[in-house]
Amino acid sequence: DAGITQSPRHKVTETGTPVTLRCHQTENHRYMYWYRQDPGHGLRLIHYSYGVKDTDKGEVSDGYSVSRSKTEDFLLTLESATSSQTSVYFCASYAGQGTLKRGSGANVLTFGAGSRLTVL
Amino acid sequence: GENVEQHPSTLSVQEGDSAVIKCTYSDSASNYFPWYKQELGKGPQLIIDIRSNVGEKKDQRIAVTLNKTAKHFSLHITETQPEDSAVYFCAASITDTGRRALTFGSGTRLQVQP
Repeated sequence: DAGITQSPRHKVTETGTPVTLRCHQTENHRYMYWYRQDPGHGLRLIHYSYGVKDTDKGEVSDGYSVSRSKTEDFLLTLESATSSQTSVYFCASYAGQGTLKRGSGANVLTFGAGSRLTVL
Repeated sequence: GENVEQHPSTLSVQEGDSAVIKCTYSDSASNYFPWYKQELGKGPQLIIDIRSNVGEKKDQRIAVTLNKTAKHFSLHITETQPEDSAVYFCAASITDTGRRALTFGSGTRLQVQP
């Protein structure tokens, strides 16, 4: 595993409050991603990063922002949480092209254990 | 963008039987197709993957087949065991650049009855 840790693992908050989820990886992976998982939707990409301070939007980026000031940390922020953002959030990372990880695919994403967020 | 559809959403089999999960994708440029297994309370884990220059790949009881013309790929699990019970996700991606993240299907909950 890539040694990805997410914090907090569980959070309950109220509508309108800001929330920040943290992802930390110890493998010096270049690429990092935030996905959300909801019943019937699988995993949907929120934002991703292809290097320090280099980020881009995914398919469900509205209401979310990210920051990556260090290779190992990727933060996901909900500026003003809404009930529709109640979900399980997964961080993922991978080294990039040419990695010799299992499967030898260039896109071998390795996931963290998830952060369950409830917005009341 | 890419769209991946996965069927069935739930699958129940008897221990020892085979299980098949099917996915279709929309972007003909996609060339990498991994399968992930997610156990309760954990993040998804890669179990097998296939690239578009290969039609089939096996790893012990697990196999994946790819039909590029029809744009569909399938996961086959033989001799199922209770520990195979989990949610399985297919995904698709273009591997020309790391900026292309995986697009996932909606998942299949597999239950293996002892």
